Amino acid sequence: EADIYQTPRYLVIGTGKKITLECSQTMGHDKMYWYQQDPGMELHLIHYSYGVNSTEKGDLSSESTVSRIRTEHFPLTLESARPSHTSQYLCASSDGLAGEASTDTQYFGPGTRLTVL
Amino acid sequence: GNSVTQMEGPVTLSEEAFLTINCTYTATGYPSLFWYVQYPGEGLQLLLKATKADDKGSNKGFEATYRKETTSFHLEKGSVQVSDSAVYFCALSDSGGNNRLAFGKGNQVVVIP
Repeated sequence: EADIYQTPRYLVIGTGKKITLECSQTMGHDKMYWYQQDPGMELHLIHYSYGVNSTEKGDLSSESTVSRIRTEHFPLTLESARPSHTSQYLCASSDGLAGEASTDTQYFGPGTRLTVL
Repeated sequence: GNSVTQMEGPVTLSEEAFLTINCTYTATGYPSLFWYVQYPGEGLQLLLKATKADDKGSNKGFEATYRKETTSFHLEKGSVQVSDSAVYFCALSDSGGNNRLAFGKGNQVVVIP
């Protein structure tokens, strides 16, 4: 059973607001990921981290930023939300150390559905 | 680079029908292959996986076989239920250890009673 949590589950906010989407996992995983899921269901990797103080941009350019100060916590921040940021955001984690092969399985949180008006 | 292709369009079928969702991939090396399922309003859950050629992953009546010669990992279930209605994603993870997944675009499956 995966133990990865995201809050809030739903967020409706006005343009220009700063928001932080929270993601936490209790499995001690070093690797964590943020995906953006568009209405057509396709998933796009926007950020990932291989451990504390490690963050990288993903395949899809995003105006969001992330931080990894603690192993279990990987928050995503938008400094100034816009309607184009409206989407579903999914956080995931996987086991194994960076650079080492592992079971490869990623465990996903329930997602945050963000609507920017 | 690595990529995954799933058949286009939603799949609608009756309860107890046979389900197949096609998945082909392009990759270097020896990737691991996955099927994830997303139920309405939820995140993705691992459904099954296979880590080497000819491996068969299975779970909850679903099966998929890692076919290196045809670069495919098709998902099958012999008799679907209404509760199987969900979005199904095929994915691959490269063999380099960085755990990055390449996802297909997903297929919406709707099972009608």
